[in-house]
Amino acid sequence: AQKITQTQPGMFVQEKEAVTLDCTYDTSDQSYGLFWYKQPSSGEMIFLIYQGSYDEQNATEGRYSLNFQKARKSANLVISASQLGDSAMYFCAMREVDTYGQNFVFGPGTRLSVLP
Amino acid sequence: EPEVTQTPSHQVTQMGQEVILRCVPISNHLYFYWYRQILGQKVEFLVSFYNNEISEKSEIFDDQFSVERPDGSNFTLKIRSTKLEDSAMYFCASSEGGRETSTDTQYFGPGTRLTVL
Repeated sequence: AQKITQTQPGMFVQEKEAVTLDCTYDTSDQSYGLFWYKQPSSGEMIFLIYQGSYDEQNATEGRYSLNFQKARKSANLVISASQLGDSAMYFCAMREVDTYGQNFVFGPGTRLSVLP
Repeated sequence: EPEVTQTPSHQVTQMGQEVILRCVPISNHLYFYWYRQILGQKVEFLVSFYNNEISEKSEIFDDQFSVERPDGSNFTLKIRSTKLEDSAMYFCASSEGGRETSTDTQYFGPGTRLTVL
């Protein structure tokens, strides 16, 4: 079963506008972490933002914020004031820790294109 | 700012040859990981390593793969007899540690692109 779902294979946004990238997850654990990574065309994976399952506040990091809705099991990434350099693949990932160890899984990604 | 480094950035090899991909994790990190990403596909977990031994591995990480921490800084992934389908980007990552916590952020290296001919 898919642990992480990103339903938008591709998104377009106008420069300076905000964009939301969707992520839903599936877990039965109470304690887990949700992460977003950016992968530009150069290929590296850049950590953007983290949300813990027990965090009551939505995480924010500069222009990135995470819209965490625990009951709906969603962790959408919001990028405000998009810039051309935001064009990249964006991956949602989840870390679970249970008695069998840790599990870190990635979603299929969303390709964001920022238009001038 | 400390970062994970990987060498080489690109490795081309013939099918059946052995390759070793190298990584230098962030110095105070205790957990190390290898992932692969076949072109255009999602990132797949291969293996995690803690306290000089494998802590978890995926189905992909079969007998042709091995990992080693030969000294205090390097972390290597060896593929014994490469196959065409091993062509992918291989990412090393490290985290501070905390098997017991889910808050452990993994920081990725820039990747090694492996091409098997």
